[in-house]
Amino acid sequence: GAVVSQHPSWVICKSGTSVKIECRSLDFQATTMFWYRQFPKQSLMLMATSNEGSKATYEQGVEKDKFLINHASLTLSTLTVTSAHPEDSSFYICSARGARGSAFFGQGTRLTVV
Amino acid sequence: TQLLEQSPQFLSIQEGENLTVYCNSSSVFSSLQWYRQEPGEGPVLLVTVVTGGEVKKLKRLTFQFGDARKDSSLHITAAQPGDTGLYLCAGGRNNNDMRFGAGTRLTVKP
Repeated sequence: GAVVSQHPSWVICKSGTSVKIECRSLDFQATTMFWYRQFPKQSLMLMATSNEGSKATYEQGVEKDKFLINHASLTLSTLTVTSAHPEDSSFYICSARGARGSAFFGQGTRLTVV
Repeated sequence: TQLLEQSPQFLSIQEGENLTVYCNSSSVFSSLQWYRQEPGEGPVLLVTVVTGGEVKKLKRLTFQFGDARKDSSLHITAAQPGDTGLYLCAGGRNNNDMRFGAGTRLTVKP
């Protein structure tokens, strides 16, 4: 399958700071990238969908000013959690979809806000 | 309510048993994907089904897409402890949409 690299794998930050998570498709062009959040023992909840060069489409209840998504190229999307608080601690996962239609996932980022 | 209803949510069986996981929706999908996720990792794609009525096999795993493209099933034959994990179905109403079912947490005991 195709390779999607997500970085960092884990991050601990202080409350009030911002954290950037990168998602790269290494061997294909990702026309669409998805960002998910996953709580322990639960499924993935879609946060937003982004297409290269366009503004991201956020799901209801997801604050776009808090979770900034940039999809500047066909191989890179970033999620910035701004002014992070402990309740933002979670497992964040990106996926990338290319022309073939199947989506492939990064390895996830575990964010802990202290 | 979720777009995709997955059942059962939890399943604990003995090694060697067979099992089936279901993924149902009232919506029609252009395709459905099945993933498996290990703790602390991203989901890994198992299969994509596209054609109504399609059946795909991956070793001991058999995937079926309903004729109306609204539901899918995953059948595992002679389950092994290595099959333990979270199984997720996913689908979208269009290319800009991909949502997951609640997942089935499978435990296979030796």
